[in-house]
Amino acid sequence: DADVTQTPRNRITKTGKRIMLECSQTKGHDRMYWYRQDPGLGLRLIYYSFDVKDINKGEISDGYSVSRQAQAKFSLSLESAIPNQTALYFCATSGTGTNTEAFFGQGTRLTVV
Amino acid sequence: TQLLEQSPQFLSIQEGENLTVYCNSSSVFSSLQWYRQEPGEGPVLLVTVVTGGEVKKLKRLTFQFGDARKDSSLHITAAQPGDTGLYLCAGARFQGAQKLVFGQGTRLTINP
Repeated sequence: DADVTQTPRNRITKTGKRIMLECSQTKGHDRMYWYRQDPGLGLRLIYYSFDVKDINKGEISDGYSVSRQAQAKFSLSLESAIPNQTALYFCATSGTGTNTEAFFGQGTRLTVV
Repeated sequence: TQLLEQSPQFLSIQEGENLTVYCNSSSVFSSLQWYRQEPGEGPVLLVTVVTGGEVKKLKRLTFQFGDARKDSSLHITAAQPGDTGLYLCAGARFQGAQKLVFGQGTRLTINP
């Protein structure tokens, strides 16, 4: 089984709909992240959480919200999806040491029409 | 404004050639990581460089961290079709929070 699992893998939704992307990890890490990937822009951080009670905005948090339901679970919501939120979304987790590796899920391809 | 600038963004070369990918910034990083991403998958870590001037080798791949910890390079010798993929550099800042900042990525294609 994958260390980081994202559901769904693909989703097409209509403008204005609410959608939730889910992420779970089996690494036992405290830190979890949500990134968005667009062609030519690399990965941009949406939100991150360093433990269950900690939620922080990343560089592009507008239009998104998150919930850290447990150490292993971190979900991303789009309250009212818009077409420019069409992208590939990645969840990641890392340990708490310095310079630790980030482990990524396989991604969710979201299309907003 | 991209904090980490990767160049080139696209590179297509023939099998057996050498290549270098650059990752540059005006900011100092506590460490820099290189990831490789295959289609339909998330990025996977190749290497982490921590010390200014550090050089690490992974088979035919050589990674270097700049002396001032602001830039890094990835050199591939005798490229193989299996090296095809998206290469991403990511820097960790000198802050209490270990958040990674990613470059735009270099899409590398090695033609047989």
